Amino acid sequence: AQTVTQSQPEMSVQEAETVTLSCTYDTSENNYYLFWYKQPPSRQMILVIRQEAYKQQNATENRFSVNFQKAAKSFSLKISDSQLGDTAMYFCAFMKQGTGNQFYFGTGTSLTVIP
Amino acid sequence: GAVVSQHPSRVICKSGTSVKIECRSLDFQATTMFWYRQFPKQSLMLMATSNEGSKATYEQGVEKDKFLINHASLTLSTLTVTSAHPEDSSFYICSAGNRGVGPRSQYFGPGTRLLVL
Repeated sequence: AQTVTQSQPEMSVQEAETVTLSCTYDTSENNYYLFWYKQPPSRQMILVIRQEAYKQQNATENRFSVNFQKAAKSFSLKISDSQLGDTAMYFCAFMKQGTGNQFYFGTGTSLTVIP
Repeated sequence: GAVVSQHPSRVICKSGTSVKIECRSLDFQATTMFWYRQFPKQSLMLMATSNEGSKATYEQGVEKDKFLINHASLTLSTLTVTSAHPEDSSFYICSAGNRGVGPRSQYFGPGTRLLVL
């Protein structure tokens, strides 16, 4: 079975600063996908960033980037130039390749951006 | 693209009544849809996986007679909470898995807040 661990239940960051959210996972699979989702107070799940395990290059989306360490099974999210709108729950998710898109979610990290 | 709608967004009902929640993929065909339940400040808990034209697969501990799932078409899945009780009050989220077009992922609906009085 796949497990996803987010060890930081809550974090805070000053506006304009950088913050890193951690995620580790456990799997015996070689081909899979990793995701970070943001859930703001509206509770709509929003895809932040996606990483294919076969790609060595870390994914980047504007102010969001990941540090994907496949051997260590680590997938951290870095948010640069934090904005008030980044305040949300952040969930790390794992998906095996070829399994009908089933996700395994972490427990989430509540991020607060302080003005 | 890849928009998923969910209806209603919130519902209040009396104990003992049944409530139906619809989940639609608007611009893609979803052979697989997922139903989640989420309690405040917690992660999403997968309730069941719904495949078009076949019976849903329920996670351990989820009562299939309580939470009826129908996935009659490639764009529509419904969750019916039968004989709802206050403990069924929660936030329910559906998602649709894509195939073929675009990167593999799940696309989430906006959720339904259910309150049973």
